[in-house]
Amino acid sequence: GAVVSQHPSRVICKSGTSVKIECRSLDFQATTMFWYRQFPKQSLMLMATSNEGSKATYEQGVEKDKFLINHASLTLSTLTVTSAHPEDSSFYICSAKWTGEETQYFGPGTRLLVL
Amino acid sequence: KQEVTQIPAALSVPEGENLVLNCSFTDSAIYNLQWFRQDPGKGLTSLLLIQSSQREQTSGRLNASLDKSSGRSTLYIAASQPGDSATYLCAVRLANAGKSTFGDGTTLTVKP
Repeated sequence: GAVVSQHPSRVICKSGTSVKIECRSLDFQATTMFWYRQFPKQSLMLMATSNEGSKATYEQGVEKDKFLINHASLTLSTLTVTSAHPEDSSFYICSAKWTGEETQYFGPGTRLLVL
Repeated sequence: KQEVTQIPAALSVPEGENLVLNCSFTDSAIYNLQWFRQDPGKGLTSLLLIQSSQREQTSGRLNASLDKSSGRSTLYIAASQPGDSATYLCAVRLANAGKSTFGDGTTLTVKP
């Protein structure tokens, strides 16, 4: 149980375009979802926390106008990288949990390459 | 600000060896600590979660310990197998905060 999916798994886009990444909880209602990015050989850095129906809380240094997060339902959160640039190329991972659950369940990640 | 450090950064052992991975954190007011496994290019798989009131958790060949006062956790892997090769991450969640801080990970290679 507690499966989280992400789509797409890989995406290549041109500089200046926007890319949307979906994170879905398949068998539970995710009251909270987290978005992380991971550079090669580095650990996960939390970008933002979103609670269903509320605005996302962004970590210091993360541009909320560039990384748009929507958590409109209990099973879906989206991360949109607007006007992507090569430095945005990274591995983006989401995780989800429900109220009262201690463990975060992670998606398989989305590898973004901006040319 | 919580800082999480994992030592060593990389470890290579022959199959069958017992090994210990280390995780240290600077703020001892933690809510819980979690160990994850990450295979190359993949997401994270939760291995063990230790609540702040607990001292250890066990699952199969894995045993995780927690010493809040010294700011340390260890992940013990018994009788290592090539399939254990992966990057192991620890994540510390502070009390009263929903987010977790991750260490940089230890990349383990178990040679057949």
